[in-house]
Amino acid sequence: AQTVTQSQPEMSVQEAETVTLSCTYDTSESDYYLFWYKQPPSRQMILVIRQEAYKQQNATENRFSVNFQKAAKSFSLKISDSQLGDAAMYFCAYFRSGTYKYIFGTGTRLKVLA
Amino acid sequence: DGGITQSPKYLFRKEGQNVTLSCEQNLNHDAMYWYRQDPGQGLRLIYYSQIVNDFQKGDIAEGYSVSREKKESFPLTVTSAQKNPTAFYLCASREVAGGGLEDPNIQYFGAGTRLSVL
Repeated sequence: AQTVTQSQPEMSVQEAETVTLSCTYDTSESDYYLFWYKQPPSRQMILVIRQEAYKQQNATENRFSVNFQKAAKSFSLKISDSQLGDAAMYFCAYFRSGTYKYIFGTGTRLKVLA
Repeated sequence: DGGITQSPKYLFRKEGQNVTLSCEQNLNHDAMYWYRQDPGQGLRLIYYSQIVNDFQKGDIAEGYSVSREKKESFPLTVTSAQKNPTAFYLCASREVAGGGLEDPNIQYFGAGTRLSVL
């Protein structure tokens, strides 16, 4: 069965600095997608970034980028120039194409220090 | 604006009572989901529905029931059989067919309902 592991329950970063959140997953499939979702204090889940497994190029969305290491089954999120509004829970998620089920990690709480 | 609306935002349940959480979407999505979120456990799937009048149990369906009579609506009932219902409940949807402008692999979420026991 597929699993997603986020080994950092909590992280802190100074405003304007860079932080990396870790995610590892386990699958025997080759066609899948990986996501990072942000859950701010409002608790609304917001998609931050996604990565298709068949793409070698790492996804980037403004200050957010990923380091996708398919062989190592690692999918880390880098947040550059951290802002106070980045403070939230971040969830890593796995989805196998053609199925219905998403597998979520347990989340990493990110604190941004002014 | 298109989106997913969950109501109420806060809900309280008395002992032995059934309560229903509402989820409505105007995104014309085929698939809808219900998740339960507890501290330190991430999101766990309760029920899933890909089309009207069809739904499947997720990992923690015991004590819950759903219906899907309309494409845009997927209400969740927390029954008295659910002995520990206090949690945050999230509804989500996604386009399944693909071929259009939307990515069928991306799930979108409502703002959630916080259920507590009196």
